[in-house]
Amino acid sequence: DIQMTQSPSTLSASVGDRVTITCRASQSISNWLAWYQQKPGKAPKLLIYEASTLESGVPSRFRGSGSGTEFTLTISSLQPDDFASYYCQQYNSYPIMFGQGTRLEIK
Amino acid sequence: QVQLVESGGGVVQPGRSLRLSCAASAFSLNDYNMHWVRQAPGKGLEWVAVISFDGSNKYFVDSVKGRFTISRDNSKNTLYLQMSSLRAEDTAVYYCATSAPKYGDLGSWGQGTLVTVSS
Repeated sequence: DIQMTQSPSTLSASVGDRVTITCRASQSISNWLAWYQQKPGKAPKLLIYEASTLESGVPSRFRGSGSGTEFTLTISSLQPDDFASYYCQQYNSYPIMFGQGTRLEIK
Repeated sequence: QVQLVESGGGVVQPGRSLRLSCAASAFSLNDYNMHWVRQAPGKGLEWVAVISFDGSNKYFVDSVKGRFTISRDNSKNTLYLQMSSLRAEDTAVYYCATSAPKYGDLGSWGQGTLVTVSS
């Protein structure tokens, strides 16, 4: 099974900051990686798929990059609505695996 | 607007069974692979199972193999998760979600249904 290691687990930042979350796969997954945002009590929301393609309606301050085993999600200028949890997910092969998640909190 | 609505959650004793349903509206399940993803209280996301758009392929996470089955009734536009031999560690919110047939990114999600396994 492909393991996904996401870091950091918690990130404290302020409105307007640029933040980066990293996700590493235990073996190459090409670009079969997605990023999700989840707010408390809500279902996850797809932000980015195929490592760098923005889902329709997602603000352009969200950017995904990487391929192979190393991936990043960057939020260029944090907005109040961005404070949430973020998960990476590999879908190169089954079983699908998620990273452990990153909780983005207000500093 | 695409909508998925899960139902069937509740409190169940260890070792018992439960069936979850996921009803789709405003789109046809025929066009999608369907997944179940769960989230234990205060924990991260765990993918559970997938069934292909035509029902021909199914995959499960190791921890539920032999205990959970996934099925779909495209005529009713509904997905199911039959859970048996339930354990305390199966306690979670269960979400259904869609992906395009060739891919595994999960574009639409239901609101989730809580399953609590407790004596």
